[in-house]
Amino acid sequence: EAGVAQSPRYKIIEKRQSVAFWCNPISGHATLYWYQQILGQGPKLLIQFQNNGVVDDSQLPKDRFSAERLKGVDSTLKIQPAKLEDSAVYLCASSQGGETYNSPLHFGNGTRLTVT
Amino acid sequence: AQSVAQPEDQVNVAEGNPLTVKCTYSVSGNPYLFWYVQYPNRGLQFLLKYITGDNLVKGSYGFEAEFNKSQTSFHLKKPSALVSDSALYFCAVRDMANDYKLSFGAGTTVTVRA
Repeated sequence: EAGVAQSPRYKIIEKRQSVAFWCNPISGHATLYWYQQILGQGPKLLIQFQNNGVVDDSQLPKDRFSAERLKGVDSTLKIQPAKLEDSAVYLCASSQGGETYNSPLHFGNGTRLTVT
Repeated sequence: AQSVAQPEDQVNVAEGNPLTVKCTYSVSGNPYLFWYVQYPNRGLQFLLKYITGDNLVKGSYGFEAEFNKSQTSFHLKKPSALVSDSALYFCAVRDMANDYKLSFGAGTTVTVRA
């Protein structure tokens, strides 16, 4: 099966600029996650979708971050305006979701964002 | 609140020697435990999980992990390490009391020298 696709792989922007990341999950996976991975730390959940509805966005800095999952498939994560501390790898993951809490997550290769 | 601790930032072993990566957890209910591996410039890959049943679980690439409820631990092990096992390893936990949110440890960098 095809894996989780993410683009771009790398992005360098200046602070206060905006940026968007795209994710295409594994076909048929209902649950989609966006994680932020800062160097030296474990991934931190930003937002979780179940189909096209938001399940958890409690750790999403909503004043600058937004995400959508139209039609319950692809998703985009946007940062506007970016801050220096947003420099990180942004990982998208998907799982079968629903009540299958024991299902592992499948991760994309991530987008490495550098804010200068 | 749930949490995961990986007490060692780095583990160094010689090829052919046993490899252990430590993980302890804290949850209110019964834990669902996972190990993931991350190679440079790649996403995380699932290695193995413990949900219920046998405390010793086997996973990909010859890895196994032992669930110890009394010590709240889930250490990752491999009897004979390979240079290609050098990577960043993450332990993660879910539990019902925290709405099954997946929490990751900070990671342990494993270096296997030839």
